[in-house]
Amino acid sequence: DTAVSQTPKYLVTQMGNDKSIKCEQNLGHDTMYWYKQDSKKFLKIMFSYNNKELIINETVPNRFSPKSPDKAHLNLHINSLELGDSAVYFCASSQGTSGRFNEQFFGPGTRLTVL
Amino acid sequence: DAKTTQPTSMDCAEGRAANLPCNHSTISGNEYVYWYRQIHSQGPQYIIHGLKNNETNEMASLIITEDRKSSTLILPHATLRDTAVYYCIVRSGGSQGNLIFGKGTKLSVKP
Repeated sequence: DTAVSQTPKYLVTQMGNDKSIKCEQNLGHDTMYWYKQDSKKFLKIMFSYNNKELIINETVPNRFSPKSPDKAHLNLHINSLELGDSAVYFCASSQGTSGRFNEQFFGPGTRLTVL
Repeated sequence: DAKTTQPTSMDCAEGRAANLPCNHSTISGNEYVYWYRQIHSQGPQYIIHGLKNNETNEMASLIITEDRKSSTLILPHATLRDTAVYYCIVRSGGSQGNLIFGKGTKLSVKP
């Protein structure tokens, strides 16, 4: 069974469209994350949710809206897509947030291409 | 969270030990050292973490110097599948969970 899964794996869309990426974890973890990896391969945190509540929101345009319907899911909705949004988006989860329990499990990534 | 410094790239012969260094001279007492790796086109993968003592698991060993200002990740018998970018990350025990990834070390294991 896949621990952290994301759908879709690839997403190609036009500028200005609205799209969603879904993430699910079956590890029973309390905390979930979204990271963005750009073309230069830098991996940066975007959001973090703990028990369905937002705990980290880095400097991300408000076109990006995470939604956590339950602890096992953290979806990312993106409005009015721009060329600069093209990247690989990774979902991750962990048991908790403290240093001892922050082993994060990452999903396979969603490669978003905005044309 | 403290900053880390790693070599940009390293080579290792297949079957030999790969020793990946990390400098974290500004680390504070409650900060953990984490190692992750990212194999091409995959999500990052947790390897190991430690606070003060050396740690070993089925993947690797982590050696932390007594002053905690540097550490070394050891892959005892590197295989071609260990070719990846290895990230050393320092995080406080009370931080909110996000990992701050640097540029990492690109390890190339060669036959």
